[in-house]
Amino acid sequence: SQQGEEDPQALSIQEGENATMNCSYKTSINNLQWYRQNSGRGLVHLILIRSNEREKHSGRLRVTLDTSKKSSSLLITASRAADTASYFCATEPGANSKLTFGKGITLSVRP
Amino acid sequence: DAGVTQSPTHLIKTRGQHVTLRCSPISGHKSVSWYQQVLGQGPQFIFQYYEKEERGRGNFPDRFSARQFPNYSSELNVNALLLGDSALYLCASSLEQGLGKLFFGSGTQLSVL
Repeated sequence: SQQGEEDPQALSIQEGENATMNCSYKTSINNLQWYRQNSGRGLVHLILIRSNEREKHSGRLRVTLDTSKKSSSLLITASRAADTASYFCATEPGANSKLTFGKGITLSVRP
Repeated sequence: DAGVTQSPTHLIKTRGQHVTLRCSPISGHKSVSWYQQVLGQGPQFIFQYYEKEERGRGNFPDRFSARQFPNYSSELNVNALLLGDSALYLCASSLEQGLGKLFFGSGTQLSVL
């Protein structure tokens, strides 16, 4: 079963614009992570936010977590064509490395 | 340093056959997990192994089995293949269990005809 639900399912923006993706989940979590996948290949870890954190930054990425609403958002600033990919949120309910992924968001960045 | 390596990259099988997929984790990583990703969906957890012991199993039938070897590499076996087993099978490793961040291989694309 897939706990995470990303929103929107697809997003198309112009290069240089910001991209905001949302994720909701159902059960309590130890941490929430975002991954990127290019063309059905392996996933690349982007950022991890723990349940006791509210916001985290990494380069052009900013992730927020609201445990009361069971939701997270990923902001990619100043997007580039190379950011075109599928983005997944994944939740880890306990410290056991078992991740539950959402269905993903397809981001297209037009040059 | 080499990342997570999986073999083969592509595989075509017929219904009823069995398949073995292989994974080598990043050097020093002791935890290996397997995920199944059907087209258009997110990855689904199949197994996790840590220090050669099964530490977690997802909602998959007994036709799916796995093991981890002393060098921490791993195999995923699927018996009596069904058309619905067609998917991208991803292996991921981490240094220890419970550290959160996973390093994924490029996957094995399995097609069952």
